[in-house]
Amino acid sequence: DVKVTQSSRYLVKRTGEKVFLECVQDMDHENMFWYRQDPGLGLRLIYFSYDVKMKEKGDIPEGYSVSREKKERFSLILESASTNQTSMYLCASWDLSYEQYFGPGTRLTVT
Amino acid sequence: AQSVTQPDIHITVSEGASLELRCNYSYGATPYLFWYVQSPGQGLQLLLKYFSGDTLVQGIKGFEAEFKRSQSSFNLRKPSVHWSDAAEYFCAVINTGTASKLTFGTGTRLQVTL
Repeated sequence: DVKVTQSSRYLVKRTGEKVFLECVQDMDHENMFWYRQDPGLGLRLIYFSYDVKMKEKGDIPEGYSVSREKKERFSLILESASTNQTSMYLCASWDLSYEQYFGPGTRLTVT
Repeated sequence: AQSVTQPDIHITVSEGASLELRCNYSYGATPYLFWYVQSPGQGLQLLLKYFSGDTLVQGIKGFEAEFKRSQSSFNLRKPSVHWSDAAEYFCAVINTGTASKLTFGTGTRLQVTL
């Protein structure tokens, strides 16, 4: 079974802190994605990567950056967390049939 | 750019009743379409997908969806809903190419009454 894991299920950070969200997949997928999920807005794509060291902006990249140094790991970075970044963050990867496999999510609260 | 519209934010059905969740997409070429389900406190799970061929696709948990190009729709159906189907349902479309990505609708929350 494909497994996508995220480093934390719940995270509480203070405004201005630098935040790292880690995602690891174990199926050698080339494509990985970061979304945020907010009530009434569905899933919105922040960044994605289709190869190591490659990254593409999604629909809402402002305030975020990413890192992909190894194929299995895709990190989302909030350089200076703000309260409007309080959200559920979902990582995903996909196989050659475009089926996305999601991690369990990280619920981030910024106070 | 592709987009997905799920016009129903919240739907309530009685257990045993039939269900149809609406999804409309906007995409220039032949779309690849998906339905995902997210149960409370759970991650997203793929229900079914359409790439080409038969326009009626079967998925897991007794769900099916029909692709109608003329209406730009990909509605999800189930003949008889179970209480365990209460969840949020997301329709999604993909653009294929070098930098492929999924675009999700805003979701429909299904409530099932006993």
